Amino acid sequence: GQNIDQPTEMTATEGAIVQINCTYQTSGFNGLFWYQQHAGEAPTFLSYNVLDGLEEKGRFSSFLSRSKGYSYLLLKELQMKDSASYLCAVRDGLGDYKLSFGAGTTVTVRA
Amino acid sequence: ETGVTQSPTHLIKTRGQQVTLRCSSQSGHNTVSWYQQALGQGPQFIFQYYREEENGRGNFPPRFSGLQFPNYSSELNVNALELDDSALYLCASSYAKGAYEQYFGPGTRLTVT
Repeated sequence: GQNIDQPTEMTATEGAIVQINCTYQTSGFNGLFWYQQHAGEAPTFLSYNVLDGLEEKGRFSSFLSRSKGYSYLLLKELQMKDSASYLCAVRDGLGDYKLSFGAGTTVTVRA
Repeated sequence: ETGVTQSPTHLIKTRGQQVTLRCSSQSGHNTVSWYQQALGQGPQFIFQYYREEENGRGNFPPRFSGLQFPNYSSELNVNALELDDSALYLCASSYAKGAYEQYFGPGTRLTVT
């Protein structure tokens, strides 16, 4: 089974930086994903990490440490439209097909 | 290129009834996964279909079943509905069963009363 933990809620100010942490305990590992989900909408893919280190994509960056079972998603220069739920998901084996999701972190951006 | 579509958008059923939810994959995708997302929770994997065959299943009872058609569209069927089946049902398509990026549809909101 999988155990994926992330904070329930975070609040930040427009223009600031927020870091969302995710810890996981899995029987195997073949990639960690971050998705963004606005209320009532489908999750949209943000990032994928399979090797240790930082992946940067515009205002969003994702970091992975496999030895620590730890990842974070960094959101810079926050905008009001970044208010959403951020889901951490793990694929647990080579060639495995399913994603195991955390419960999501609701980020609220305030003016 | 059309994205993943699902129908219906919303549905209200009574306990004990049966329901069929539909998903059309993104063009060129041959793999569909179904997830259940309860309010305030992350999506939970139900099962995946690859080229019309079930390719893995999560921890859901047999009353959750599915189909994939030659055009790679898919159905999720739930029999003997229970109140706890109330959730957002998401389908996600990808190019191949191991592909890392899955594209989600907007979901079907099922309410069981």
